[in-house]
Order: sequence, then C-alpha cells, then structure tokens
Amino acid sequence: AQSVTQLDSHVSVSEGTPVLLRCNYSSSYSPSLFWYVQHPNKGLQLLLKYTSAATLVKGINGFEAEFKKSETSFHLTKPSAHMSDAAEYFCVVRGKGGGNKLTFGTGTQLKVEL
Amino acid sequence: IAGITQAPTSQILAAGRRMTLRCTQDMRHNAMYWYRQDLGLGLRLIHYSNTAGTTGKGEVPDGYSVSRANTDDFPLTLASAVPSQTSVYFCASSEAGVNTGELFFGEGSRLTVL
Repeated sequence: AQSVTQLDSHVSVSEGTPVLLRCNYSSSYSPSLFWYVQHPNKGLQLLLKYTSAATLVKGINGFEAEFKKSETSFHLTKPSAHMSDAAEYFCVVRGKGGGNKLTFGTGTQLKVEL
Repeated sequence: IAGITQAPTSQILAAGRRMTLRCTQDMRHNAMYWYRQDLGLGLRLIHYSNTAGTTGKGEVPDGYSVSRANTDDFPLTLASAVPSQTSVYFCASSEAGVNTGELFFGEGSRLTVL
C-alpha cells in the first residue's frame, strides 16, 4: 500500500527566510504526489502535483517541490516565506487504482514569524 | 461563487442521535468524497461516489452511510452518533475520469458528539 510520512508536525520560520516542509513516500509503483494547503477554518486547496513528468514541480504562491526517487522524497520549498503562508500543509499520494482517491499525510503546521 | 457548500458548519450532538451532514456542489463534478480530519491523523476517506447512483467505502466507513441520488448532493449520515465520531468533516468533489488528483473541498462541518 502507498503512504506518505511528513517528518515535521510543526515548522516555524521568520518572514523572508526559506521554507522546507519534508515528505517521504512509500509506494510499490511510480506514485502521483501532491501538496495541499489548508488555511485556518478553511477547506484544503491543491498547491502542486507530480504525475511523472518533470521532477521539479512549481505550484501556486511561489512554492515548488522536487520528486527524488532515490530518496523517496517530495519536499516542499519556498525561497522566502510570507505571513500569508502560515497554514497547515499536507503531503498526499494517489491510490494504486488511480482515480482521485487520495491518502493524506498527517500534516505540517507552518508558522511564520515577523 | 461556484464550489461546495456544507451544512451545518458546526453541531453539538448527544450520543445515540442520528445526524446528517449535507453537501452540495454546483460544479457538475461526477465524483464526490467525504473525509474526516482528526488532529495528528490527517484526512481519512470515509465514503466516496464516482457518479450519481453509486457509492463506495473508504478507509473508515463504519458508523457512516451515504447516498448519491443526483450529481449535486452527497449527504453523510451518522445513524447513531458516538463520541469517537467527534471530528471535522470535509466534503470534496472532482471530475471523474480526469485523474488530476485535484479535489475541491468545502469548508468543513465541525461535529462534537457528547
């Protein structure tokens, strides 16, 4: 079965500094991976996705993620954090049967300080 | 604004009572989903429907039922609520047959079972 592990439950950065949210995956096949963002008291929104094309994926709001098969990782990065980036971020893998049934990681809460 | 509407936004319920969480979408998406979100566990799929008239079980279906009489509505019913069903429930939709992994989420229904 496929799964994702988010290595940090909380990350705190200063505004203007880089963001790194870590995600490792486990899959017996070539996975499709996603990052979703959830702002307080809101639903989730797709940030970016990897579906076996380019390994460096760019998303909305300046975020990007790199698929590294050798490390089974799909870390999310942003060069410079903004206060509006404070949210919870979920690493997600798609089920083997395809479609849109997704398995979510446990989430990383990003705090951005002045 | 097109999207997913969930109701109620918040509810406190006595154990043993029946409760239906409503979900309506106006995007004409074929597929719909119900997830529950619990601290430290991420989102877990309860039930899904790939098209009107069909439903399927997700990861944690016990104690819940769904129906899909038409494209737009996907209610989730707790026949006899228990405290372990205290959670935030999210309804989502996607275009079936378009395997983008992009789900569109409602803003959630917070349920407390006492």
